[in-house]
Amino acid sequence: DVKVTQSSRYLVKRTGEKVFLECVQDMDHENMFWYRQDPGLGLRLIYFSYDVKMKEKGDIPEGYSVSREKKERFSLILESASTNQTSMYLCASSWTERGEQYFGPGTRLTVT
Amino acid sequence: KQEVTQIPAALSVPEGENLVLNCSFTDSAIYNLQWFRQDPGKGLTSLLLIQSSQREQTSGRLNASLDKSSGRSTLYIAASQPGDSATYLCAVSLDSNYQLIWGAGTKLIIKP
Repeated sequence: DVKVTQSSRYLVKRTGEKVFLECVQDMDHENMFWYRQDPGLGLRLIYFSYDVKMKEKGDIPEGYSVSREKKERFSLILESASTNQTSMYLCASSWTERGEQYFGPGTRLTVT
Repeated sequence: KQEVTQIPAALSVPEGENLVLNCSFTDSAIYNLQWFRQDPGKGLTSLLLIQSSQREQTSGRLNASLDKSSGRSTLYIAASQPGDSATYLCAVSLDSNYQLIWGAGTKLIIKP
């Protein structure tokens, strides 16, 4: 079974802090995704990576950056956390760009 | 611009009933369509993926159909159980872009 893990289930950070969210997949997938999910807005793509060190911006990249130094690991970075980044963050991976996506359990981030 | 709609937003049925969840999309030039399940506060679980050339896919008590010409997909759940209670989301990927376009989901409650 594909397994996608995320470093924290719940995280509380202060405004202005630098925040790292880590995602690891164990199936050698080329493609990895970061989404955020908010009530009434659904899932929105933040960043996509199709290979090590390769990335593309999604719909809402502002205020975020990503890092993919190893194939299995995709990190989302909030350079200076703000209260409007309080959200559920979901990581996913897939064999191909449009293939079945496998999700991690999510990280509920609260910025105070 | 592709839009994905799921109606109803919520559905409550007694245990044992067969039920159908609906997903409609505005642009028939899709690459594939995926159905996911999300339990409260958790990540998404992929249920079924239908390629644009397919008419249906089955997994256990679940059957998903696709009618590209009418812009519709249905998820049929047979003999519903309380454990089926969750939010069900559909998402389409386009011929022209890898990004998934998400529906807002249908919250399903199965009453014992």
